[in-house]
Amino acid sequence: AQSVTQLDSHVSVSEGTPVLLRCNYSSSYSPSLFWYVQHPNKGLQLLLKYTSAATLVKGINGFEAEFKKSETSFHLTKPSAHMSDAAEYFCVVTWGYTDKLIFGTGTRLQVFP
Amino acid sequence: GAGVSQSPRYKVAKRGQDVALRCDPISGHVSLFWYQQALGQGPEFLTYFQNEAQLDKSGLPSDRFFAERPEGSVSTLKIQRTQQEDSAVYLCASSYRDLAYEQYFGPGTRLTVT
Repeated sequence: AQSVTQLDSHVSVSEGTPVLLRCNYSSSYSPSLFWYVQHPNKGLQLLLKYTSAATLVKGINGFEAEFKKSETSFHLTKPSAHMSDAAEYFCVVTWGYTDKLIFGTGTRLQVFP
Repeated sequence: GAGVSQSPRYKVAKRGQDVALRCDPISGHVSLFWYQQALGQGPEFLTYFQNEAQLDKSGLPSDRFFAERPEGSVSTLKIQRTQQEDSAVYLCASSYRDLAYEQYFGPGTRLTVT
């Protein structure tokens, strides 16, 4: 079965320090991978996506993620956290000819001044 | 244009009541998806429409859940005889093409069953 595991339920960083949100996937097929962000009382917003092109993917707001097939990982990073980055982040997988997104359980990012 | 909109944003229902949740997708988007997000969890797939055709309803948790999209635009998710375990945020997403790519999400409807 296809699945994603987000290794940390909560991550806390200081403003201006790097962010690392970890995600591992399980997929028998070539996956497409996404990161979505969910701010309180707002809809899920797509940060970035990997669909078998370049393994290093750049997204919005300075975020990027690297697809590592050998490690079955798709970790999300940002060099310098901003207060506005505080939100819930979801790693998501889909594959081939299918219609559904499979979400991880989410990582809550806190940013301290 | 406008994003995906959902109404109502909040709904409180007594156990046993029927509820109807509405989704207005982005104009021209072919595909429409419903997800259920329980507290502290990631969204889980419920059902998928391509235009007016419901192509996948494998995620609907019981026959009390019913979704429709009769004209290929607005969709309604109906829950009959609500139970406490139905309390969740119901998310709607739409996509300009088929399958799962580039889904745009609405803000959700928070359903509380008392």
